[in-house]
Amino acid sequence: DVKVTQSSRYLVKRTGEKVFLECVQDMDHENMFWYRQDPGLGLRLIYFSYDVKMKEKGDIPEGYSVSREKKERFSLILESASTNQTSMYLCASSSTTGDQPQHFGDGTRLSIL
Amino acid sequence: KQEVTQIPAALSVPEGENLVLNCSFTDSAIYNLQWFRQDPGKGLTSLLLIQSSQREQTSGRLNASLDKSSGRSTLYIAASQPGDSATYLCAVSFITSYDKVIFGPGTSLSVIP
Repeated sequence: DVKVTQSSRYLVKRTGEKVFLECVQDMDHENMFWYRQDPGLGLRLIYFSYDVKMKEKGDIPEGYSVSREKKERFSLILESASTNQTSMYLCASSSTTGDQPQHFGDGTRLSIL
Repeated sequence: KQEVTQIPAALSVPEGENLVLNCSFTDSAIYNLQWFRQDPGKGLTSLLLIQSSQREQTSGRLNASLDKSSGRSTLYIAASQPGDSATYLCAVSFITSYDKVIFGPGTSLSVIP
């Protein structure tokens, strides 16, 4: 079974802190994604990566950056956390063939105080 | 703008009923369509993936259909059970941006024992 693992289920940080969310997948997938999910707004794509060291902005990249130094790991970075970044963050991975579904981690519930 | 919508937003049915969830998308040039399930506070679990060339997919009590020309997909759940209670999301990869997936807002399903 494909496994996408997010480093934390719950995280509490303070405004202005630099926050790292980590995601690891074990299926050698080329594509990896970071989403945030908010009530009434659904899932919104923050960034995605289709290869090591490659990244593409999604719909809401402001205030975030990403890092993909290894194929299996995709990190989301909040450079200076703000309260409006309190949200559920979901990582996903998929192959490039398009005939396989996206696989999601269990999510990180991030609270910025 | 490419959008995905789902109707109804919420649905409550008695156990044993057959039910249909609806998904609509604005552009018929799609790569594939996925149905996901999300339990409260958890990540998404892939249920079915329909390729652009397919009309339907089945898994157990679930059947998903795709009609590209009308921009619609339905998820049919037979003989519903309380364990089916969850939010169901439809997600579409459009040909013009096939690496990205656009999610609908979801249908919250409650199956009453």
